[in-house]
Amino acid sequence: DSGVTQTPKHLITATGQRVTLRCSPRSGDLSVYWYQQSLDQGLQFLIQYYNGEERAKGNILERFSAQQFPDLHSELNLSSLELGDSALYFCASSELAGPNTGELFFGEGSRLTVL
Amino acid sequence: AQTVTQSQPEMSVQEAETVTLSCTYDTSESDYYLFWYKQPPSRQMILVIRQEAYKQQNATENRFSVNFQKAAKSFSLKISDSQLGDAAMYFCAYRAYTGTASKLTFGTGTRLQVTL
Repeated sequence: DSGVTQTPKHLITATGQRVTLRCSPRSGDLSVYWYQQSLDQGLQFLIQYYNGEERAKGNILERFSAQQFPDLHSELNLSSLELGDSALYFCASSELAGPNTGELFFGEGSRLTVL
Repeated sequence: AQTVTQSQPEMSVQEAETVTLSCTYDTSESDYYLFWYKQPPSRQMILVIRQEAYKQQNATENRFSVNFQKAAKSFSLKISDSQLGDAAMYFCAYRAYTGTASKLTFGTGTRLQVTL
Protein backbone atom coordinates (compact mmCIF):
# COMPACT_ATOMS: atom_id res chain seq x y z
CA ASP A 1 0.00 0.00 0.00
CA SER A 2 1.57 3.25 -1.21
CA GLY A 3 -0.57 5.44 1.04
CA VAL A 4 -2.06 7.27 -1.95
CA THR A 5 -5.81 6.77 -2.30
CA GLN A 6 -7.72 7.22 -5.52
CA THR A 7 -11.46 7.08 -6.06
CA PRO A 8 -13.31 5.76 -7.91
CA LYS A 9 -11.36 2.68 -8.97
CA HIS A 10 -13.56 2.15 -12.00
CA LEU A 11 -15.86 4.50 -13.86
CA ILE A 12 -17.96 3.95 -16.95
CA THR A 13 -19.63 6.89 -18.62
CA ALA A 14 -20.82 8.15 -21.98
CA THR A 15 -19.32 10.53 -24.47
CA GLY A 16 -19.99 14.16 -23.71
CA GLN A 17 -20.23 13.59 -19.98
CA ARG A 18 -18.11 15.00 -17.17
CA VAL A 19 -16.37 13.08 -14.39
CA THR A 20 -14.28 13.91 -11.35
CA LEU A 21 -11.44 11.76 -10.12
CA ARG A 22 -10.24 12.18 -6.57
CA CYS A 23 -6.85 11.65 -4.98
CA SER A 24 -5.65 11.75 -1.38
CA PRO A 25 -1.86 11.92 -1.13
CA ARG A 26 0.29 10.23 1.48
CA SER A 27 0.17 11.92 4.85
CA GLY A 28 2.56 14.85 4.81
CA ASP A 29 3.18 14.89 1.05
CA LEU A 30 2.57 18.32 -0.42
CA SER A 31 3.01 17.46 -4.11
CA VAL A 32 0.39 15.72 -6.18
CA TYR A 33 0.86 14.57 -9.77
CA TRP A 34 -1.65 13.30 -12.31
CA TYR A 35 -0.73 10.89 -15.09
CA GLN A 36 -2.73 9.32 -17.91
CA GLN A 37 -2.03 5.83 -19.22
CA SER A 38 -3.93 4.77 -22.32
CA LEU A 39 -4.09 1.09 -23.24
CA ASP A 40 -0.62 -0.43 -23.64
CA GLN A 41 0.97 3.01 -23.51
CA GLY A 42 3.40 4.70 -21.19
CA LEU A 43 2.44 7.18 -18.52
CA GLN A 44 1.85 10.70 -19.77
CA PHE A 45 2.25 13.55 -17.31
CA LEU A 46 -0.77 15.79 -17.03
CA ILE A 47 -0.27 18.23 -14.18
CA GLN A 48 1.41 18.78 -10.81
CA TYR A 49 0.30 20.70 -7.75
CA TYR A 50 2.37 21.68 -4.76
CA ASN A 51 0.63 22.83 -1.59
CA GLY A 52 -2.39 24.06 -3.48
CA GLU A 53 -0.60 25.75 -6.36
CA GLU A 54 -0.10 24.50 -9.89
CA ARG A 55 3.61 23.86 -10.43
CA ALA A 56 3.97 22.05 -13.74
CA LYS A 57 1.78 21.26 -16.69
CA GLY A 58 2.12 18.55 -19.30
CA ASN A 59 0.02 17.83 -22.35
CA ILE A 60 -3.23 18.28 -20.50
CA LEU A 61 -6.25 18.94 -22.69
CA GLU A 62 -8.25 22.11 -22.19
CA ARG A 63 -11.25 19.90 -21.41
CA PHE A 64 -9.35 18.66 -18.36
CA SER A 65 -8.73 20.64 -15.21
CA ALA A 66 -7.42 19.93 -11.75
CA GLN A 67 -7.05 21.51 -8.37
CA GLN A 68 -5.53 20.80 -5.00
CA PHE A 69 -7.50 21.73 -1.92
CA PRO A 70 -6.29 23.08 1.46
CA ASP A 71 -6.43 19.58 2.93
CA LEU A 72 -4.06 18.58 0.07
CA HIS A 73 -6.40 16.21 -1.69
CA SER A 74 -6.68 16.76 -5.41
CA GLU A 75 -9.36 16.37 -8.03
CA LEU A 76 -9.02 15.88 -11.77
CA ASN A 77 -12.04 17.01 -13.75
CA LEU A 78 -12.60 15.61 -17.22
CA SER A 79 -15.35 17.15 -19.32
CA SER A 80 -16.91 16.68 -22.77
CA LEU A 81 -15.54 13.18 -22.67
CA GLU A 82 -14.49 11.42 -25.85
CA LEU A 83 -13.82 7.76 -26.56
CA GLY A 84 -10.11 8.49 -26.61
CA ASP A 85 -10.20 9.66 -23.01
CA SER A 86 -10.65 6.07 -21.89
CA ALA A 87 -7.55 5.36 -19.85
CA LEU A 88 -6.09 4.63 -16.46
CA TYR A 89 -5.54 7.84 -14.54
CA PHE A 90 -2.87 7.74 -11.87
CA CYS A 91 -2.31 10.09 -9.01
CA ALA A 92 1.04 10.19 -7.29
CA SER A 93 2.49 12.14 -4.40
CA SER A 94 5.97 12.94 -3.20
CA GLU A 95 7.71 14.40 -0.20
CA LEU A 96 10.03 17.38 -0.35
CA ALA A 97 12.56 16.09 2.14
CA GLY A 98 13.28 12.83 3.90
CA PRO A 99 14.57 9.35 3.06
CA ASN A 100 12.27 8.90 0.09
CA THR A 101 12.94 12.24 -1.54
CA GLY A 102 12.77 11.89 -5.29
CA GLU A 103 10.40 8.97 -5.37
CA LEU A 104 6.81 9.29 -6.48
CA PHE A 105 4.27 7.10 -4.70
CA PHE A 106 1.44 6.01 -6.96
CA GLY A 107 -2.16 5.26 -6.20
CA GLU A 108 -3.84 2.25 -7.76
CA GLY A 109 -5.37 4.36 -10.49
CA SER A 110 -8.86 5.20 -11.67
CA ARG A 111 -9.90 3.29 -14.77
CA LEU A 112 -12.16 5.42 -16.94
CA THR A 113 -14.16 3.86 -19.74
CA VAL A 114 -16.01 6.17 -22.12
CA LEU A 115 -18.69 4.48 -24.21
CA ALA B 1 13.26 18.69 -22.40
CA GLN B 2 14.19 15.45 -20.77
CA THR B 3 13.46 12.27 -22.66
CA VAL B 4 13.67 8.62 -21.69
CA THR B 5 14.09 5.89 -24.30
CA GLN B 6 13.48 2.19 -23.88
CA SER B 7 14.39 0.51 -27.15
CA GLN B 8 13.15 -2.98 -26.24
CA PRO B 9 9.35 -3.17 -26.46
CA GLU B 10 9.42 -6.84 -25.38
CA MET B 11 11.88 -9.17 -23.75
CA SER B 12 11.70 -12.79 -22.74
CA VAL B 13 13.69 -14.71 -20.14
CA GLN B 14 13.61 -18.23 -18.81
CA GLU B 15 12.93 -18.79 -15.16
CA ALA B 16 16.13 -18.63 -13.06
CA GLU B 17 18.04 -16.88 -15.84
CA THR B 18 19.27 -13.29 -16.00
CA VAL B 19 17.89 -10.54 -18.20
CA THR B 20 18.92 -6.93 -18.78
CA LEU B 21 16.51 -4.18 -19.76
CA SER B 22 17.96 -1.12 -21.45
CA CYS B 23 17.23 2.55 -20.89
CA THR B 24 18.83 5.74 -22.12
CA TYR B 25 17.91 9.28 -21.25
CA ASP B 26 18.69 12.77 -22.31
CA THR B 27 19.14 15.68 -19.94
CA SER B 28 21.23 18.76 -19.43
CA GLU B 29 20.92 18.52 -15.67
CA SER B 30 23.77 17.25 -13.52
CA ASP B 31 21.71 16.14 -10.54
CA TYR B 32 18.75 13.84 -11.00
CA TYR B 33 17.12 10.60 -10.01
CA LEU B 34 16.55 7.53 -12.12
CA PHE B 35 14.02 4.82 -11.38
CA TRP B 36 12.73 1.52 -12.62
CA TYR B 37 9.04 0.91 -12.00
CA LYS B 38 7.27 -2.40 -12.47
CA GLN B 39 3.67 -2.59 -13.63
CA PRO B 40 2.16 -6.08 -13.30
CA PRO B 41 -1.20 -7.03 -14.84
CA SER B 42 -2.91 -5.38 -11.87
CA ARG B 43 -1.61 -2.10 -13.40
CA GLN B 44 -0.24 -0.90 -10.06
CA MET B 45 3.02 1.06 -10.30
CA ILE B 46 5.66 -0.53 -8.08
CA LEU B 47 9.09 0.98 -7.51
CA VAL B 48 11.80 -1.57 -8.22
CA ILE B 49 14.96 0.43 -7.74
CA ARG B 50 16.23 4.01 -7.65
CA GLN B 51 19.55 5.67 -8.37
CA GLU B 52 20.76 9.14 -7.47
CA ALA B 53 22.97 10.57 -10.21
CA TYR B 54 25.57 11.85 -7.75
CA LYS B 55 26.21 8.33 -6.48
CA GLN B 56 28.81 6.43 -8.46
CA GLN B 57 27.89 3.11 -6.92
CA ASN B 58 25.22 1.19 -8.78
CA ALA B 59 22.04 0.55 -6.80
CA THR B 60 21.08 -2.99 -5.85
CA GLU B 61 17.86 -4.39 -4.41
CA ASN B 62 18.00 -8.13 -3.88
CA ARG B 63 17.81 -9.71 -7.37
CA PHE B 64 17.60 -6.34 -9.08
CA SER B 65 20.60 -4.20 -9.92
CA VAL B 66 21.37 -1.36 -12.26
CA ASN B 67 24.25 -0.40 -14.48
CA PHE B 68 24.36 3.38 -14.33
CA GLN B 69 26.65 5.03 -16.86
CA LYS B 70 26.27 8.77 -16.32
CA ALA B 71 28.50 9.92 -19.17
CA ALA B 72 26.69 7.65 -21.60
CA LYS B 73 23.30 8.54 -20.06
CA SER B 74 22.48 4.89 -19.77
CA PHE B 75 20.57 3.14 -16.98
CA SER B 76 19.97 -0.57 -17.49
CA LEU B 77 18.19 -2.95 -15.13
CA LYS B 78 19.50 -6.45 -14.51
CA ILE B 79 17.16 -9.04 -13.07
CA SER B 80 18.93 -12.13 -11.76
CA ASP B 81 17.36 -15.50 -11.02
CA SER B 82 14.18 -14.45 -12.83
CA GLN B 83 10.91 -15.60 -11.33
CA LEU B 84 7.44 -15.96 -12.82
CA GLY B 85 6.32 -13.05 -10.68
CA ASP B 86 8.78 -10.79 -12.47
CA ALA B 87 6.60 -10.88 -15.58
CA ALA B 88 5.35 -7.33 -16.02
CA MET B 89 5.79 -4.07 -17.85
CA TYR B 90 8.93 -2.25 -16.75
CA PHE B 91 9.25 1.50 -17.04
CA CYS B 92 12.43 3.50 -16.77
CA ALA B 93 11.87 6.99 -15.38
CA TYR B 94 13.82 10.20 -14.84
CA ARG B 95 13.29 13.00 -12.38
CA ALA B 96 15.36 16.16 -12.15
CA TYR B 97 16.84 16.99 -8.75
CA THR B 98 15.01 20.24 -8.34
CA GLY B 99 12.75 21.63 -5.70
CA THR B 100 9.03 21.61 -5.77
CA ALA B 101 8.35 21.37 -9.48
CA SER B 102 9.78 18.19 -10.87
CA LYS B 103 7.76 15.63 -12.74
CA LEU B 104 8.69 12.03 -13.42
CA THR B 105 9.30 11.36 -17.12
CA PHE B 106 8.72 7.78 -18.23
CA GLY B 107 9.99 5.70 -21.09
CA THR B 108 7.56 3.72 -23.23
CA GLY B 109 8.16 0.52 -21.29
CA THR B 110 9.49 -2.98 -21.85
CA ARG B 111 7.17 -5.94 -21.49
CA LEU B 112 9.01 -8.81 -19.81
CA GLN B 113 7.86 -12.39 -20.26
CA VAL B 114 9.17 -15.11 -18.00
CA THR B 115 8.97 -18.64 -19.34
CA LEU B 116 9.39 -22.00 -17.66
